[in-house]
Amino acid sequence: EAQVTQNPRYLITVTGKKLTVTCSQNMNHEYMSWYRQDPGLGLRQIYYSMNVEVTDKGDVPEGYKVSRKEKRNFPLILESPSPNQTSLYFCASSSPTGGASKNIQYFGAGTRLSVL
Amino acid sequence: GEDVEQSLFLSVREGDSSVINCTYTDSSSTYLYWYKQEPGAGLQLLTYIFSNMDMKQDQRLTVLLNKKDKHLSLRIADTQTGDSAIYFCAEQRGGYNKLIFGAGTRLAVHP
Repeated sequence: EAQVTQNPRYLITVTGKKLTVTCSQNMNHEYMSWYRQDPGLGLRQIYYSMNVEVTDKGDVPEGYKVSRKEKRNFPLILESPSPNQTSLYFCASSSPTGGASKNIQYFGAGTRLSVL
Repeated sequence: GEDVEQSLFLSVREGDSSVINCTYTDSSSTYLYWYKQEPGAGLQLLTYIFSNMDMKQDQRLTVLLNKKDKHLSLRIADTQTGDSAIYFCAEQRGGYNKLIFGAGTRLAVHP
């Protein structure tokens, strides 16, 4: 079954304690992204990756790091979490298809993070 | 402005049609998408429309695109309780990777 798997689904932590949210996809997609979802703001892109070892900032990258050492995995790292990073996080993957390259994203189920 | 705008809430009676509206920002956006988010789940693609089309129909779903007004709508015919969810529109702006999402419209279907 084609899927994007995020872990953990729920996480409560304290300010300053480093954490990693893992993301894995089994569709051999080149592109992977991290989003955060906040009420009234929709989804905002944090970071994206176009392929192994190629990553770039999205719209809200401050306070986050990513890495892409393997095609299937794209972990999100919070080196020193702060309360304003309390949010619902989604990982997504996609692959360009056809000449006009529509970007159909496949999303994980989400990780709800609370930073106290 | 920079934002993709949607109304936040819509309530409809079961069996009626639902129309969810979206205003996007960039007239050169190539594709526009509708995603559905059910409780506790990630977003799933419902449908999409290429910018050179005015309308796309897929079973109970009809997408209308008014490029002049940068207005996108999603009509769900014969709305069912299983359609209760949050619906996001998104525009693909300025390249493959640039997807801008609206804040989502919560659709509530009541008997």
